[in-house]
Amino acid sequence: GESVGLHLPTLSVQEGDNSIINCAYSNSASDYFIWYKQESGKGPQFIIDIRSNMDKRQGQRVTVLLNKTVKHLSLQIAATQPGDSAVYFCAETPAYRDDKIIFGKGTRLHILP
Amino acid sequence: NAGVTQTPKFQVLKTGQSMTLQCAQDMNHEYMSWYRQDPGMGLRLIHYSVGAGITDQGEVPNGYNVSRSTTEDFPLRLLSAAPSQTSVYFCASSLQDSLTEAFFGQGTRLTVV
Repeated sequence: GESVGLHLPTLSVQEGDNSIINCAYSNSASDYFIWYKQESGKGPQFIIDIRSNMDKRQGQRVTVLLNKTVKHLSLQIAATQPGDSAVYFCAETPAYRDDKIIFGKGTRLHILP
Repeated sequence: NAGVTQTPKFQVLKTGQSMTLQCAQDMNHEYMSWYRQDPGMGLRLIHYSVGAGITDQGEVPNGYNVSRSTTEDFPLRLLSAAPSQTSVYFCASSLQDSLTEAFFGQGTRLTVV
């Protein structure tokens, strides 16, 4: 069935270092994989997505990598800043033209000064 | 441009009461959806709509009704509230061509006693 999960519930990173947040998925038919950021007391915010026919996509200070062989998705944040403290969710659209976004449980990113 | 507006922000209900959570967007987005978020869990899709007059069920639709009479509004109705419906509810909207770039409201924190 459809499931999107995460390896670690909490990740602590030194300010200025790079952060890597991981996610495992089980649905080989998923069309898009997405990363959202949720700050305390706010709704989730779109960061970046990647289509299933791609391996890598870069945004501003973020890179998403998709490894379909092992069904693994990662979000890399360069030069982590205090404002990056949040819960990060991976999500997926289960199939082509399936108008649903299914979320995983989330990883909390904690920035150490 | 207000984005996605949810009302109320907080609500306490007694078991068996009914209420409607309001969601409005001013971005002319075709796609709207409702999620609930419970502690330690990701967001779970309740209902979604790909346009006015069209709604469909998500992962956890039981106990909730929706309607989409206009593009702007997507209310969520609880017919007979139960303690299991205590949660934070988020409404989201996006363009149909950019489904993954969802804009979320600030959430409604609902407690059923």
